[in-house]
Amino acid sequence: GNSVTQMEGPVTLSEEAFLTINCTYTATGYPSLFWYVQYPGEGLQLLLKATKADDKGSNKGFEATYRKETTSFHLEKGSVQVSDSAVYFCALRSNQGGKLIFGQGTELSVKP
Amino acid sequence: GAVVSQHPSRVICKSGTSVKIECRSLDFQATTMFWYRQFPKKSLMLMATSNEGSKATYEQGVEKDKFLINHASLTLSTLTVTSAHPEDSSFYICSARKGGEDGYTFGSGTRLTVV
Repeated sequence: GNSVTQMEGPVTLSEEAFLTINCTYTATGYPSLFWYVQYPGEGLQLLLKATKADDKGSNKGFEATYRKETTSFHLEKGSVQVSDSAVYFCALRSNQGGKLIFGQGTELSVKP
Repeated sequence: GAVVSQHPSRVICKSGTSVKIECRSLDFQATTMFWYRQFPKKSLMLMATSNEGSKATYEQGVEKDKFLINHASLTLSTLTVTSAHPEDSSFYICSARKGGEDGYTFGSGTRLTVV
């Protein structure tokens, strides 16, 4: 079946450090891939998405590229801020309008 | 646009009682709503998918008689945890999809504590 695996957290970085959160997936066909962010006490917000191979999603300085050859969708940001502290979820959807399958989430803590 | 309101945000109930959680799409009609359960340090586990006017589709291993889902209108879905027990304590999150569109909007979640 479809599944998503993320790197274990928590990840602790200093402000302005480079961030990578690894995400790999298993799916049949050509899924759409997403990154969601959950700030403390809140629901999930869509951060970025990519719907086909080699697409790059980007938002708020975050980027992720859909790599079909390595079945990966790693999240990167060149310079993190304290306000980026949150839990990040990688997810896939196998068909339009279908259910989202989430990874286990990676907690990011950015220190000043 | 695309706001989903989930209520209550926190609830404490006694073991054996039932609790109802509401999920409302405030500015759009949600043909499909999803209910998730989130454990500490764990991912979101999809419990069920509900479509307006029809029975919910439950994921494997989710007790449909314990977690009653009703999607009576295009703007409201409810999850009722019946005869709650301490092991039902968790964070429950709903998500709504606007008909004909591909985006999902999440509620802010409900922290349920059963004592």
